Amino acid sequence: AQRVTQPEKLLSVFKGAPVELKCNYSYSGSPELFWYVQYSRQRLQLLLRHISRESIKGFTADLNKGETSFHLKKPFAQEEDSAMYYCALRAGSYQLTFGKGTKLSVIP
Amino acid sequence: EAGVAQSPRYKIIEKRQSVAFWCNPISGHATLYWYQQILGQGPKLLIQFQNNGVVDDSQLPKDRFSAERLKGVDSTLKIQPAKLEDSAVYLCASSLNQFQGRTEAFFGQGTRLTVV
Repeated sequence: AQRVTQPEKLLSVFKGAPVELKCNYSYSGSPELFWYVQYSRQRLQLLLRHISRESIKGFTADLNKGETSFHLKKPFAQEEDSAMYYCALRAGSYQLTFGKGTKLSVIP
Repeated sequence: EAGVAQSPRYKIIEKRQSVAFWCNPISGHATLYWYQQILGQGPKLLIQFQNNGVVDDSQLPKDRFSAERLKGVDSTLKIQPAKLEDSAVYLCASSLNQFQGRTEAFFGQGTRLTVV
């Protein structure tokens, strides 16, 4: 069965500092990885997916199959980045499995 | 385009009572999901529909939970009877068609259920 692990429940960084939210997964096949974000009082929404290899709001994430990781990175944190971040994995055509989430707090 | 709509937003019931949640997905989305999110945890898939057929309900507690998606559009999730541990946010999501690579899931605002 697939599993997604986000080791940090809370990550606090100062504004302007680099951010790295960790995500590790376990799945024997070729996964599809996503990062979802939930801002305060808003619905869960897609931030980025590995197949797009895009940068959204300055965030990037690279799939490392050797380390089974999909860490989310941003070089300079902004206050508006404060939110809950969830890493998610889709195995085949089936269920989207979420990690427990990391709360990012950017200190002004 | 309009987003995924859910109602009610909040519900408080006593244990052993029954409750139902409603979801209207984005128009044209074939895939619909119900997730349960307990405080401090990530969303957990309960059931997934492709049009009006069930694709995955392996984590649905079938002794008390049921869901249907008649006509392949709206969906309802029911709990009968409710237990204290069912207190959670119930999220509905939809995607265009995950079997054709359109896999981005759009989420509703959720229904916060409190069982007392």
